[in-house]
Amino acid sequence: AQSVTQPDIHITVSEGASLELRCNYSYGATPYLFWYVQSPGQGLQLLLKYFSGDTLVQGIKGFEAEFKRSQSSFNLRKPSVHWSDAAEYFCACTTSGTYKYIFGTGTRLKVLA
Amino acid sequence: DAMVIQNPRYQVTQFGKPVTLSCSQTLNHNVMYWYQQKSSQAPKLLFHYYDKDFNNEADTPDNFQSRRPNTSFCFLDIRSPGLGDAAMYLCATSRGPSNREQFFGPGTRLTVL
Repeated sequence: AQSVTQPDIHITVSEGASLELRCNYSYGATPYLFWYVQSPGQGLQLLLKYFSGDTLVQGIKGFEAEFKRSQSSFNLRKPSVHWSDAAEYFCACTTSGTYKYIFGTGTRLKVLA
Repeated sequence: DAMVIQNPRYQVTQFGKPVTLSCSQTLNHNVMYWYQQKSSQAPKLLFHYYDKDFNNEADTPDNFQSRRPNTSFCFLDIRSPGLGDAAMYLCATSRGPSNREQFFGPGTRLTVL
């Protein structure tokens, strides 16, 4: 069955520290992969996406992600976290045969001052 | 700016009293989606429209209906809200087969008394 797994429910980092949020997918077809961020009480904002090509993608707010087909992973990274990055992060996946996203369960990021 | 707009942002209704949530878009996208998101969970797709073609998820309760009178607008009708329907309702759009990136509105927070 198709699935997206975010193994870390909560992550706490200090401001200025580096960040990596994990995402693993299970899909039979070539995946389209996304990372979204959601602040409390808000909708989802797209950080970055991967459709094809260069496996290292740059996004907004200083985020990047790397697609690794051999590991079925699409991990999100940021070299230096800011307090304003505290939010919930969702990884999502779809394929060419459907409009439906499969979402991961989300990772809640807390940033310590 | 092109965007997805949801009204109202907060809606309070009584148990069993019908309620309608509204979504409009200025992106001229072909596909519109309605998601239900409960606290600390990933968004759950209720249904989507590709143009006028309605696609219901198999596990969406009959209590939830949707209308798309034109390209720009889509409505979510909850015929008899129960306490379990209290949630954030997110509307999203995407261009269509050539581009599966979804753009989300800010959401409507529904409270059922």
